[in-house]
Amino acid sequence: DQQVKQNSPSLSVQEGRISILNCDYTNSMFDYFLWYKKYPAEGPTFLISISSIKDKNEDGRFTVFLNKSAKHLSLHIVPSQPGDSAVYFCAANPRADSGTYKYIFGTGTRLKVLA
Amino acid sequence: DAGVIQSPRHEVTEMGQEVTLRCKPISGHNSLFWYRQTMMRGLELLIYFNNNVPIDDSGMPEDRFSAKMPNASFSTLKIQPSEPRDSAVYFCASSLALTGGDYTFGSGTRLTVV
Repeated sequence: DQQVKQNSPSLSVQEGRISILNCDYTNSMFDYFLWYKKYPAEGPTFLISISSIKDKNEDGRFTVFLNKSAKHLSLHIVPSQPGDSAVYFCAANPRADSGTYKYIFGTGTRLKVLA
Repeated sequence: DAGVIQSPRHEVTEMGQEVTLRCKPISGHNSLFWYRQTMMRGLELLIYFNNNVPIDDSGMPEDRFSAKMPNASFSTLKIQPSEPRDSAVYFCASSLALTGGDYTFGSGTRLTVV
């Protein structure tokens, strides 16, 4: 069963508008979350992260929001640019005292930003 | 640093053959991870090492899969015998620590088993 879920396999957005990518998780032991971006024929690259002690983290055009009660996080990209077109993966990591240390990834959302 | 280096980039093999995927992590990173990407399951963690020692191989799908890390600069993932359902992109990643921070991924090996 998928502990990290990205229910939208794809998303299209006009250039300049906001892109919102969503991610849900089921395990309350997760307390560190990351977003990765992947271009075709390349490995995923780290984009932004958030710890469970925060509900928002911002880096330039990218903001990640965390709603722990809903076990939901989202990535906002404003304004969206054609170069943002890629597959975005959400990943979660259990607490360090849980005894496991592995990021669990979602299935990804393919974002297409239309010029 | 050249980043995480994986070889080969592409591999096409016949069912039943042995396949070996290779990975060179970033120098100084002490954790190494093997992931498999499929459309249905996204990025699945197969196995990870810390200081060359396998920590968790619960993601390895079957006994046909095995991984080794003989030293800090090299790891292999072997599939023997290979099957068509093993076709996927296999990624290696390394990091400075097991928790927190981010992983650096290689460019992946696209495996096709016919």
